[in-house]
Amino acid sequence: QKEVEQNSGPLSVPEGAIASLNCTYSDRGSQSFFWYRQYSGKSPELIMSIYSNGDKEDGRFTAQLNKASQYVSLLIRDSQPSDSATYLCAVSGANFGNEKLTFGTGTRLTIIP
Amino acid sequence: GAGVSQTPSNKVTEKGKYVELRCDPISGHTALYWYRQSLGQGPEFLIYFQGTGAADDSGLPNDRFFAVRPEGSVSTLKIQRTERGDSAVYLCASSFIPGLKSKDTQYFGPGTRLTVL
Repeated sequence: QKEVEQNSGPLSVPEGAIASLNCTYSDRGSQSFFWYRQYSGKSPELIMSIYSNGDKEDGRFTAQLNKASQYVSLLIRDSQPSDSATYLCAVSGANFGNEKLTFGTGTRLTIIP
Repeated sequence: GAGVSQTPSNKVTEKGKYVELRCDPISGHTALYWYRQSLGQGPEFLIYFQGTGAADDSGLPNDRFFAVRPEGSVSTLKIQRTERGDSAVYLCASSFIPGLKSKDTQYFGPGTRLTVL
């Protein structure tokens, strides 16, 4: 079993709709959770970080964390063509000595105009 | 500069050669990380520095890979006797205070694309 799992997609969403991206992780000691966006040929760019159970909203983006279910999600409202990219879920222990990020393989999202 | 910088952006080498990849982290960031990303995969952890010392090198695939950060800022990833399987994008990231929530965000550089022929 992979430590961080994501559906590789591709996920196609009409422009203006809500895109929902999901991620599960295996290490119950994980403390910090991140969503990165990666355009083709570019490096990962941080979209959201979340540390506590519940929802965290930032503009059109909402991250959701459920530690009991070991589940993290990212919602993108009012999807735009510029949101087309690969979205990487990353997890770390965030305790001293366990700071490395473990990434999923990413979900490729395409917004259809 | 404002962000993490990496040089060179592209490196083509022949099997068996030695290569060095450089990373300059965000000013003031104490932690520096190296990752490797193959096509269609997420970044894979290689090594993490806190200051000058390697706090975690568990991701280095074998003893051909070595990294240094002698003054606690710039880091160099060194690969000896390169193999075709080493071809990947090598990413460097830095963070302000690892282990402290909200200060532990890792910011990535543009990467070095290594091609071993």
